[in-house]
Amino acid sequence: DIVMTQSPDSLAVSLGERATISCKSSQSVLYSPNNKNYLAWHQQKPGQPPKLLIYWASTRESGVPDRFSGSGSGTDFTLTITSLQAEDVAVYYCQQYYTTLPTFGQGTTVEIK
Amino acid sequence: QVQLQESGPGLLKPSETLSLTCTVSGGSINSYYWSWIRQPPGKGLEWIGYISYSGNTNFLPSLKSRLNISLDTSNNQFSLILTSITAADTAVYYCARGGFRRRFDVWGQGTLITVSS
Repeated sequence: DIVMTQSPDSLAVSLGERATISCKSSQSVLYSPNNKNYLAWHQQKPGQPPKLLIYWASTRESGVPDRFSGSGSGTDFTLTITSLQAEDVAVYYCQQYYTTLPTFGQGTTVEIK
Repeated sequence: QVQLQESGPGLLKPSETLSLTCTVSGGSINSYYWSWIRQPPGKGLEWIGYISYSGNTNFLPSLKSRLNISLDTSNNQFSLILTSITAADTAVYYCARGGFRRRFDVWGQGTLITVSS
């Protein structure tokens, strides 16, 4: 199984400031034939189901604000929220869909400082 | 716009069998992978299994002996059966579109399953 490890477990950021979450996979999720990273980011607000934010490591899902961006390749990935808004308070999960056993990171809680 | 809705019993006793159904509306169940993902109270997300449009399945190894997922294309539904449940199976169960090399791009609202005597 591919183990996904996020850091930090939680962070508090002031409104309008940048939030950065790291995700590392125990094996590469880059598929060389199409040069795509099978890595997604999901946002889960309290009492709600998860919502897909980013796929292919850096492609925003339709309707996701452009303050959310994803980067990285291979085993190291980052989710960045520029100019944090109050509605961005949530738990964020990275997830690989490269193998037959999809796995999630443990989640990172983003709060307002 | 595709929407998913889970339905299930809510409360079960240990050793019973959990049966959940996910109804797909606004689109066809064909040509996609469909997954079940669960979240114990206060914890993270755990993928437990998927079924492909052709009926191929794959399960979390730790659940493989107790879990089955089936497809009902005539009713645009897919279902989960989990046998011999224990308190450790207490969780919110989500159905989602996605699986092997397919992102989870549509999620149901989730249904809380509590296992208690």
